[in-house]
Amino acid sequence: DSGVTQTPKHLITATGQRVTLRCSPRSGDLSVYWYQQSLDQGLQFLIQYYNGEERAKGNILERFSAQQFPDLHSELNLSSLELGDSALYFCASSVLSMSGELFFGEGSRLTVL
Amino acid sequence: AQRVTQPEKLLSVFKGAPVELKCNYSYSGSPELFWYVQYSRQRLQLLLRHISRESIKGFTADLNKGETSFHLKKPFAQEEDSAMYYCALTNTGFQKLVFGTGTRLLVSP
Repeated sequence: DSGVTQTPKHLITATGQRVTLRCSPRSGDLSVYWYQQSLDQGLQFLIQYYNGEERAKGNILERFSAQQFPDLHSELNLSSLELGDSALYFCASSVLSMSGELFFGEGSRLTVL
Repeated sequence: AQRVTQPEKLLSVFKGAPVELKCNYSYSGSPELFWYVQYSRQRLQLLLRHISRESIKGFTADLNKGETSFHLKKPFAQEEDSAMYYCALTNTGFQKLVFGTGTRLLVSP
């Protein structure tokens, strides 16, 4: 499958901990986006990278950080976790920085206990 | 700031009935609008974009700048249309794609 791949699919951790979510974009896609989906919330845009550079930022908390590596995969780091960080985290990729068509992964479900 | 509002969490219709999923947006510039769909056990995917002015799976959406709306319509709903639908907005620079909270469409036989 050459689509967007996210790992892990599920993650359960405790408050105060730190986790890393990983995303591999589609082959050839240079742009990676991260979204958070909480209960009853839509997809909240967190951050976008294009070819290794941060391109746009949403309402990403200071406890969260992300980066895109030279091989174009991306990681989202969530630290000092709180109960409210429990959510589905989606990664999406697109060919260009400027594109409305995003290809989504299946998401990583984070549960903070 | 960019904002997308989908007022209905759930829309339930019978097969063959017309469907209209509402989407209103707030953006001071010239928006680019999209509808994304997530079928059961599938990934979120693009359904259509306003700049293409196309009909996909019988769905159409017209951008009404006066009413700041981009409602999704289909004249005759099918059971396979049951899914979660998200309206999304970006600016002309496509710097970020902002989604609404989504509407679940349930088409009953």
